[in-house]
Amino acid sequence: NAGVTQTPKFRVLKTGQSMTLLCAQDMNHEYMYWYRQDPGMGLRLIHYSVGEGTTAKGEVPDGYNVSRLKKQNFLLGLESAAPSQTSVYFCASSYGNSPLHFGNGTRLTVT
Amino acid sequence: GQQVMQIPQYQHVQEGEDFTTYCNSSTTLSNIQWYKQRPGGHPVFLIQLVKSGEVKKQKRLTFQFGEAKKNSSLHITATQTTDVGTYFCAGESGTYKYIFGTGTRLKVLA
Repeated sequence: NAGVTQTPKFRVLKTGQSMTLLCAQDMNHEYMYWYRQDPGMGLRLIHYSVGEGTTAKGEVPDGYNVSRLKKQNFLLGLESAAPSQTSVYFCASSYGNSPLHFGNGTRLTVT
Repeated sequence: GQQVMQIPQYQHVQEGEDFTTYCNSSTTLSNIQWYKQRPGGHPVFLIQLVKSGEVKKQKRLTFQFGEAKKNSSLHITATQTTDVGTYFCAGESGTYKYIFGTGTRLKVLA
């Protein structure tokens, strides 16, 4: 049972490049979340989804897009990466008012 | 929008001393969760509080939810080196949108 799997684990981008982070969960969870973690800032919610085909904005959505075409997958896209998007990105999933299960994170550096 | 503040940002304690972190929300919460993140790791769920005034214990850890459901605390009795990490609260206001506090980094000196 893999839980929540994030790919890739590490990535270096140049300013202006695009990329997609993939999150996959095998627990049949309805809710999925993307957070970014920066030193001293805690975890900030980027976007989240309450079910297949639905997405909603979190605290810091600008510069990111998401899609939830399949229940088990939640994709986070950066169309034109900026150095301010250098961060560790965590995906999480849950049944709702239940514990969030986190992936191991993706460390992204934008130069 | 909903904001969750957490204090202190850092805490260094001698092994055996007690530790407390406090969490305050700008809005009334439906529930609050607590997580622990070890250095280099991901947040791991500790507990969820739902009822006003609720108190829960896990061995040396005591969690409280305020009467107004806008604040919470985590208290560790007699810290051990295994308690090292960052402790986060995460509040939810009925929309399944969990907002995390900034975290308290605990360092335990042996």
